[in-house]
Amino acid sequence: AQTVTQSQPEMSVQEAETVTLSCTYDTSENNYYLFWYKQPPSRQMILVIRQEAYKQQNATENRFSVNFQKAAKSFSLKISDSQLGDTAMYFCAFMLGSSNTGKLIFGQGTTLQVKP
Amino acid sequence: KAGVTQTPRYLIKTRGQQVTLSCSPISGHRSVSWYQQTPGQGLQFLFEYFSETQRNKGNFPGRFSRRQFSNSRSEMNVSTLELGDSALYLCASREEGAIGYTFGSGTRLTVV
Repeated sequence: AQTVTQSQPEMSVQEAETVTLSCTYDTSENNYYLFWYKQPPSRQMILVIRQEAYKQQNATENRFSVNFQKAAKSFSLKISDSQLGDTAMYFCAFMLGSSNTGKLIFGQGTTLQVKP
Repeated sequence: KAGVTQTPRYLIKTRGQQVTLSCSPISGHRSVSWYQQTPGQGLQFLFEYFSETQRNKGNFPGRFSRRQFSNSRSEMNVSTLELGDSALYLCASREEGAIGYTFGSGTRLTVV
């Protein structure tokens, strides 16, 4: 069975600074995907960034980047130049790569507050 | 394109009642998944449908029934509601072969 662990329930950062959210996962599979989702107070889960396990290069999306360490089963999210709109709950998620398996396994989430 | 639409946004029900939640996926998306989000258990997978066929099912009691229609819209019915069913129910859809899901804003169910 796959598990996802986020060890930081809450974090805060000053506006314009950089923050890193941690995520570890456990799986015996080799073909999978990892995601970071953002859930603001509006409740809608928004995809921030994704990483294919077979890709060695770390994914980046504007101010968001990941540090994917496959051997260590670690998948951290770095937010650069934090903005007030980044305040939200962030979830790390895992999905097997089989085309017939659409199940996302989520971590417990990290609440991030960006302070002015 | 319209996003994933969930109705209603809020519901308050009494223990023992039943409730039906609806999810309309993005046009062209044939895969629909449902998740239950609670403060204590976090986000738990309920089930996934693709083209009216259930492909995956989480560990939930039979009180949670579900179906998908030919237009990909999905409904979930919860019967004999319990206090523990109070949660945010999220629906997500994706195109077949796509990697990421698009989520709706959820239905907040409160059982009193």
